[in-house]
Amino acid sequence: GAVVSQHPSRVICKSGTSVKIECRSLDFQATTMFWYRQFPKQSLMLMATSNEGSKATYEQGVEKDKFLINHASLTLSTLTVTSAHPEDSSFYICSATGTSTGELFFGEGSRLTVL
Amino acid sequence: GNSVTQMEGPVTLSEEAFLTINCTYTATGYPSLFWYVQYPGEGLQLLLKATKADDKGSNKGFEATYRKETTSFHLEKGSVQVSDSAVYFCALSDQGGYNKLIFGAGTRLAVHP
Repeated sequence: GAVVSQHPSRVICKSGTSVKIECRSLDFQATTMFWYRQFPKQSLMLMATSNEGSKATYEQGVEKDKFLINHASLTLSTLTVTSAHPEDSSFYICSATGTSTGELFFGEGSRLTVL
Repeated sequence: GNSVTQMEGPVTLSEEAFLTINCTYTATGYPSLFWYVQYPGEGLQLLLKATKADDKGSNKGFEATYRKETTSFHLEKGSVQVSDSAVYFCALSDQGGYNKLIFGAGTRLAVHP
């Protein structure tokens, strides 16, 4: 199947700094990408949906100024956690679609730890 | 709102044992239902899906039947292997296709030789 890659897989940062996570579709053009957040032993929660070249659509309760999403090209979307705090520590996962079947392909996830 | 509930893990089985992972859902209308699997160090992969009542999804020996009367989509496999050790996620989409999936919490399966 199609491949989606996230980078970095793990990141540790200090409180107050910003962290960028990349999501790349390696062998297809991703017209739509989704960002999820997962807390330990909980469901993946959809944070936002981004279409290439458009502003992201955020789910209720997700701070768009804190979680900046950019989808500037058909193969790359980025999530920037701004002014990170310990409560932002979580596992962030992206998925992408763009193939003829509409199937979603997921990245490996990125674990963020804010000290 | 819509939601998915999975049995808590971890589920620990011996090789060749029968597997059931329960999944129930709450949704309006007629959602599509999915099972995803996440192997260690990899992204979630679609395992199987069903788009309407009484449909049975199957793949790699796994099966799940869309039961509208019990709002369930339990995952089963007759004989598990060590290589099936992974985290399994049940999910639904009420918007058709794969858009805006709503996931369960995931169930970790560990299969021992």
